[in-house]
Amino acid sequence: AQSVTQLDSHVSVSEGTPVLLRCNYSSSYSPSLFWYVQHPNKGLQLLLKYTSAATLVKGINGFEAEFKKSETSFHLTKPSAHMSDAAEYFCVVKRGFQKLVFGTGTRLLVSP
Amino acid sequence: DVKVTQSSRYLVKRTGEKVFLECVQDMDHENMFWYRQDPGLGLRLIYFSYDVKMKEKGDIPEGYSVSREKKERFSLILESASTNQTSMYLCASSLLSLGSSYEQYFGPGTRLTVT
Repeated sequence: AQSVTQLDSHVSVSEGTPVLLRCNYSSSYSPSLFWYVQHPNKGLQLLLKYTSAATLVKGINGFEAEFKKSETSFHLTKPSAHMSDAAEYFCVVKRGFQKLVFGTGTRLLVSP
Repeated sequence: DVKVTQSSRYLVKRTGEKVFLECVQDMDHENMFWYRQDPGLGLRLIYFSYDVKMKEKGDIPEGYSVSREKKERFSLILESASTNQTSMYLCASSLLSLGSSYEQYFGPGTRLTVT
Protein backbone atom coordinates (compact mmCIF):
# COMPACT_ATOMS: atom_id res chain seq x y z
CA ALA A 1 0.00 0.00 0.00
CA GLN A 2 1.12 3.53 -0.68
CA SER A 3 2.47 5.53 2.24
CA VAL A 4 4.80 8.41 3.03
CA THR A 5 7.10 9.10 5.96
CA GLN A 6 8.16 12.61 6.86
CA LEU A 7 11.45 12.31 8.63
CA ASP A 8 11.31 15.49 10.71
CA SER A 9 8.40 16.80 12.77
CA HIS A 10 10.04 20.24 13.10
CA VAL A 11 12.68 22.05 11.06
CA SER A 12 14.15 25.40 12.10
CA VAL A 13 16.04 27.68 9.72
CA SER A 14 17.15 31.28 9.61
CA GLU A 15 15.74 33.64 7.04
CA GLY A 16 17.83 33.53 3.86
CA THR A 17 19.20 30.01 4.46
CA PRO A 18 18.19 26.89 2.50
CA VAL A 19 15.21 24.76 3.41
CA LEU A 20 15.14 20.96 3.24
CA LEU A 21 12.05 19.00 4.26
CA ARG A 22 12.50 15.26 3.91
CA CYS A 23 9.98 12.69 2.72
CA ASN A 24 10.33 9.01 1.88
CA TYR A 25 7.61 7.10 0.10
CA SER A 26 6.54 3.50 -0.22
CA SER A 27 4.69 2.38 -3.31
CA SER A 28 4.34 -0.78 -5.32
CA TYR A 29 4.14 1.17 -8.56
CA SER A 30 5.18 4.56 -9.91
CA PRO A 31 3.60 6.97 -7.45
CA SER A 32 1.91 10.32 -7.77
CA LEU A 33 3.40 12.51 -5.03
CA PHE A 34 2.47 15.94 -3.74
CA TRP A 35 3.53 18.54 -1.24
CA TYR A 36 0.82 20.60 0.45
CA VAL A 37 1.34 23.59 2.75
CA GLN A 38 -0.88 24.79 5.57
CA HIS A 39 -0.35 28.30 6.91
CA PRO A 40 -1.74 29.11 10.35
CA ASN A 41 -5.52 29.37 10.31
CA LYS A 42 -5.67 28.69 6.58
CA GLY A 43 -6.66 25.74 4.42
CA LEU A 44 -4.21 23.41 2.74
CA GLN A 45 -2.74 24.58 -0.53
CA LEU A 46 -0.99 22.50 -3.18
CA LEU A 47 2.70 23.43 -3.49
CA LEU A 48 3.69 21.01 -6.22
CA LYS A 49 3.06 17.54 -7.63
CA TYR A 50 5.05 14.77 -9.28
CA THR A 51 3.32 12.59 -11.84
CA SER A 52 6.29 10.97 -13.65
CA ALA A 53 6.74 13.65 -16.31
CA ALA A 54 9.98 15.06 -14.84
CA THR A 55 11.93 14.13 -11.73
CA LEU A 56 12.59 17.72 -10.69
CA VAL A 57 9.32 19.46 -9.98
CA LYS A 58 8.96 23.19 -9.48
CA GLY A 59 6.18 24.58 -7.35
CA ILE A 60 4.89 27.87 -6.09
CA ASN A 61 6.85 30.36 -3.97
CA GLY A 62 10.25 29.08 -5.10
CA PHE A 63 9.88 25.54 -3.76
CA GLU A 64 10.94 22.48 -5.68
CA ALA A 65 11.15 18.75 -5.07
CA GLU A 66 13.15 15.96 -6.66
CA PHE A 67 11.80 12.47 -7.17
CA LYS A 68 14.55 9.88 -6.56
CA LYS A 69 13.38 6.37 -7.25
CA SER A 70 16.63 4.76 -6.09
CA GLU A 71 16.24 6.42 -2.68
CA THR A 72 12.40 6.35 -2.60
CA SER A 73 12.55 10.00 -1.63
CA PHE A 74 10.71 13.18 -2.56
CA HIS A 75 12.40 15.93 -0.55
CA LEU A 76 11.18 19.52 -0.66
CA THR A 77 13.74 22.30 -0.98
CA LYS A 78 14.00 26.05 -1.29
CA PRO A 79 17.27 27.95 -1.76
CA SER A 80 16.46 30.82 0.58
CA ALA A 81 13.84 30.81 3.33
CA HIS A 82 11.48 33.71 3.86
CA MET A 83 9.57 34.50 7.02
CA SER A 84 6.33 33.85 5.16
CA ASP A 85 7.40 30.22 4.58
CA ALA A 86 6.72 29.38 8.23
CA ALA A 87 3.94 26.81 8.04
CA GLU A 88 3.22 23.10 8.22
CA TYR A 89 4.13 21.02 5.18
CA PHE A 90 2.64 17.69 4.23
CA CYS A 91 4.07 15.08 1.91
CA VAL A 92 1.26 13.17 0.21
CA VAL A 93 0.94 10.12 -2.04
CA LYS A 94 -2.03 9.20 -4.20
CA ARG A 95 -3.59 5.89 -3.25
CA GLY A 96 -5.78 3.95 -5.61
CA PHE A 97 -8.13 5.76 -7.88
CA GLN A 98 -8.91 9.06 -6.18
CA LYS A 99 -7.59 9.10 -2.62
CA LEU A 100 -4.63 10.77 -0.95
CA VAL A 101 -2.52 9.53 1.97
CA PHE A 102 -0.89 12.24 4.05
CA GLY A 103 2.33 12.20 6.01
CA THR A 104 2.38 13.36 9.61
CA GLY A 105 3.60 16.83 8.69
CA THR A 106 6.72 18.94 9.20
CA ARG A 107 6.46 22.29 10.91
CA LEU A 108 8.89 24.81 9.42
CA LEU A 109 10.05 27.58 11.73
CA VAL A 110 11.86 30.56 10.23
CA SER A 111 13.77 32.91 12.49
CA PRO A 112 14.94 36.42 11.52
CA ASP B 1 -11.00 29.82 -8.29
CA VAL B 2 -12.27 26.67 -6.65
CA LYS B 3 -14.00 27.41 -3.42
CA VAL B 4 -14.72 24.91 -0.67
CA THR B 5 -16.60 26.34 2.27
CA GLN B 6 -17.36 24.83 5.64
CA SER B 7 -20.29 25.92 7.74
CA SER B 8 -18.36 26.81 10.91
CA ARG B 9 -14.75 27.65 11.78
CA TYR B 10 -15.23 26.81 15.46
CA LEU B 11 -17.80 24.60 17.12
CA VAL B 12 -18.27 23.54 20.74
CA LYS B 13 -20.59 20.64 21.50
CA ARG B 14 -21.41 18.49 24.48
CA THR B 15 -20.80 14.77 24.79
CA GLY B 16 -23.68 12.79 23.32
CA GLU B 17 -24.94 15.54 21.04
CA LYS B 18 -25.58 14.90 17.36
CA VAL B 19 -23.28 17.13 15.31
CA PHE B 20 -23.53 18.14 11.67
CA LEU B 21 -20.57 19.56 9.75
CA GLU B 22 -21.45 20.96 6.35
CA CYS B 23 -19.24 21.41 3.31
CA VAL B 24 -20.09 23.06 0.00
CA GLN B 25 -18.00 23.29 -3.18
CA ASP B 26 -18.74 25.45 -6.16
CA MET B 27 -16.79 23.76 -8.95
CA ASP B 28 -19.03 20.85 -9.87
CA HIS B 29 -16.50 18.34 -8.54
CA GLU B 30 -17.54 14.70 -8.44
CA ASN B 31 -15.43 13.74 -5.43
CA MET B 32 -15.74 15.07 -1.91
CA PHE B 33 -13.81 14.07 1.20
CA TRP B 34 -13.85 14.46 4.96
CA TYR B 35 -10.61 14.32 6.93
CA ARG B 36 -9.68 14.90 10.50
CA GLN B 37 -6.37 16.51 11.40
CA ASP B 38 -4.64 15.85 14.71
CA PRO B 39 -1.16 16.98 15.82
CA GLY B 40 1.49 14.44 14.93
CA LEU B 41 -0.94 12.32 12.92
CA GLY B 42 -1.41 14.41 9.80
CA LEU B 43 -4.71 14.13 7.95
CA ARG B 44 -6.71 10.92 8.09
CA LEU B 45 -9.56 10.13 5.74
CA ILE B 46 -12.93 9.57 7.39
CA TYR B 47 -15.25 9.16 4.39
CA PHE B 48 -15.39 10.12 0.80
CA SER B 49 -18.06 10.35 -1.87
CA TYR B 50 -17.56 10.00 -5.62
CA ASP B 51 -21.12 10.82 -6.63
CA VAL B 52 -24.44 11.92 -5.21
CA LYS B 53 -25.74 9.38 -2.69
CA MET B 54 -22.53 7.35 -3.05
CA LYS B 55 -20.07 7.03 -0.19
CA GLU B 56 -17.10 4.96 0.81
CA LYS B 57 -15.43 4.50 4.18
CA GLY B 58 -12.00 5.91 4.67
CA ASP B 59 -9.42 4.87 7.23
CA ILE B 60 -11.24 5.99 10.40
CA PRO B 61 -15.03 5.89 9.81
CA GLU B 62 -16.04 4.68 13.27
CA GLY B 63 -18.38 7.09 15.03
CA TYR B 64 -19.12 9.06 11.85
CA SER B 65 -21.59 8.96 9.00
CA VAL B 66 -22.00 11.12 5.90
CA SER B 67 -24.69 12.36 3.58
CA ARG B 68 -24.53 13.61 0.01
CA GLU B 69 -27.93 14.51 -1.36
CA LYS B 70 -26.65 17.14 -3.80
CA LYS B 71 -23.46 17.20 -5.81
CA GLU B 72 -22.13 20.37 -4.22
CA ARG B 73 -22.83 19.48 -0.58
CA PHE B 74 -21.25 16.83 1.66
CA SER B 75 -22.18 16.53 5.31
CA LEU B 76 -20.31 14.80 8.11
CA ILE B 77 -22.44 13.57 11.01
CA LEU B 78 -21.30 12.65 14.48
CA GLU B 79 -24.21 10.59 15.76
CA SER B 80 -23.21 10.91 19.42
CA ALA B 81 -20.24 13.17 19.93
CA SER B 82 -17.48 12.00 22.23
CA THR B 83 -14.44 13.81 23.62
CA ASN B 84 -12.09 11.80 21.41
CA GLN B 85 -13.73 13.41 18.40
CA THR B 86 -12.34 16.79 19.40
CA SER B 87 -10.29 17.67 16.34
CA MET B 88 -9.89 19.83 13.24
CA TYR B 89 -12.16 18.60 10.43
CA LEU B 90 -11.24 19.37 6.85
CA CYS B 91 -13.40 18.99 3.78
CA ALA B 92 -11.96 18.63 0.29
CA SER B 93 -13.19 18.16 -3.26
CA SER B 94 -11.69 17.03 -6.55
CA LEU B 95 -12.59 16.30 -10.12
CA LEU B 96 -12.90 12.68 -11.15
CA SER B 97 -9.52 12.55 -12.87
CA LEU B 98 -7.63 9.69 -14.39
CA GLY B 99 -4.66 11.76 -15.37
CA SER B 100 -1.89 13.83 -13.91
CA SER B 101 -4.10 16.80 -13.16
CA TYR B 102 -5.41 15.25 -9.96
CA GLU B 103 -5.62 17.71 -7.09
CA GLN B 104 -7.78 18.03 -4.02
CA TYR B 105 -9.01 21.45 -2.91
CA PHE B 106 -9.50 22.07 0.77
CA GLY B 107 -11.83 24.13 2.88
CA PRO B 108 -10.57 26.21 5.82
CA GLY B 109 -11.52 23.58 8.41
CA THR B 110 -13.83 23.35 11.40
CA ARG B 111 -12.24 23.11 14.81
CA LEU B 112 -14.64 21.00 16.87
CA THR B 113 -14.38 20.77 20.64
CA VAL B 114 -16.49 18.20 22.47
CA THR B 115 -16.80 18.79 26.21
